[in-house]
Amino acid sequence: DARVTQTPRHKVTEMGQEVTMRCQPILGHNTVFWYRQTMMQGLELLAYFRNRAPLDDSGMPKDRFSAEMPDATLATLKIQPSEPRDSAVYFCASGLTQGVTYEQYFGPGTRLTVT
Amino acid sequence: EDQVTQSPEALRLQEGESSSLNCSYTVSGLRGLFWYRQDPGKGPEFLFTLYSAGEEKEKERLKATLTKKESFLHITAPKPEDSATYLCAVQALDRDDKIIFGKGTRLHILP
Repeated sequence: DARVTQTPRHKVTEMGQEVTMRCQPILGHNTVFWYRQTMMQGLELLAYFRNRAPLDDSGMPKDRFSAEMPDATLATLKIQPSEPRDSAVYFCASGLTQGVTYEQYFGPGTRLTVT
Repeated sequence: EDQVTQSPEALRLQEGESSSLNCSYTVSGLRGLFWYRQDPGKGPEFLFTLYSAGEEKEKERLKATLTKKESFLHITAPKPEDSATYLCAVQALDRDDKIIFGKGTRLHILP
């Protein structure tokens, strides 16, 4: 049963600390997305990659957020320095682009609390 | 600007009481409309993709329909296990892989 995995599932940190979230996409999927979900804003796209190349990171605060895909089995999202307003659930999703639209498969999320 | 609006925000139904959730969208050209289900503490789970007006998809007690301006998720004789947040999302023709999500409808089915 292929699924997207994310670590850690929960993270509590103090303001100013670095946070790193990791995602393992489904094997064979070539597109990876990072989303942030809050009650107020809902699901917001932060960044996404296709074949490990970053295609769009316009949803991310560039001064503190960075997303990378060092290899096909790992995507990372870093926040440095973290702020209380970054508290949210961060989801990774993966999909297979084959020239037409397709569904995205979501991981269980990382719940981040910044105090 | 592409937009997705879902209504109602929350809906409480008795078990067996059928109803519909609405997703209104504004997009320059629709490539696809998605429905997802999200349970508390979990990531969204894919339900359906609709591509063109008039299309319908069914899964158990759920049926999704699509017009040029909106989509409906019809729930027939719901059970308590259908309680979840239902998310609608659209992908535009000129937005590559990006999809825009609505804020969802929280559905609660009372036994």
